[in-house]
Amino acid sequence: SQKIEQNSEALNIQEGKTATLTCNYTNYSPAYLQWYRQDPGRGPVFLLLIRENEKEKRKERLKVTFDTTLKQSLFHITASQPADSATYLCALDSNYQLIWGAGTKLIIKP
Amino acid sequence: GAGVSQSPSNKVTEKGKDVELRCDPISGHTALYWYRQSLGQGLEFLIYFQGNSAPDKSGLPSDRFSAERTGGSVSTLTIQRTQQEDSAVYLCASSLNIAGTDTQYFGPGTRLTVL
Repeated sequence: SQKIEQNSEALNIQEGKTATLTCNYTNYSPAYLQWYRQDPGRGPVFLLLIRENEKEKRKERLKVTFDTTLKQSLFHITASQPADSATYLCALDSNYQLIWGAGTKLIIKP
Repeated sequence: GAGVSQSPSNKVTEKGKDVELRCDPISGHTALYWYRQSLGQGLEFLIYFQGNSAPDKSGLPSDRFSAERTGGSVSTLTIQRTQQEDSAVYLCASSLNIAGTDTQYFGPGTRLTVL
């Protein structure tokens, strides 16, 4: 069956360092992959979308890579700030739906 | 402009009671999704609506769950005879169209607690 895995344990990063989050998938050939941010008590908010034919996508301090051979996407936040602390979700398209990972909680320590 | 809104923000009910959750999508968005999120879990797809097409109900966990979308806008998710395992945050999202590329815009969710 289709499966998406994100690090279930919280990731603690020192302010100013680069945070890297992983999204792995199996039994899937998505055409697109999206990353969302979710704060406590709020709905997810869209950050970036990357297509299968794109290796890398950047937006300000954010960078996403998509390796269809490894079936993996990496999400990087450079020069991390305490305000970046949140849960980050990856989602892959499956026909008309998005299939969601459980998310990784990121904690940026000042 | 206004985002997706949901009401109520919190709902506490007794086991066996029916509940109705409401979602107001972004104006002009043709696609509307309902998800359920349990603590520490990913989003569980429940149902989606696209324009005037028949909704895809494949994610509904049981026949106690139903949803409708009136006039292609507001949607109501109804849970009949609630059970404790129904306790979760129910999220609604809308997008301009249904496609893997379309960004989904989420409401703040309704936290449902079944005692």
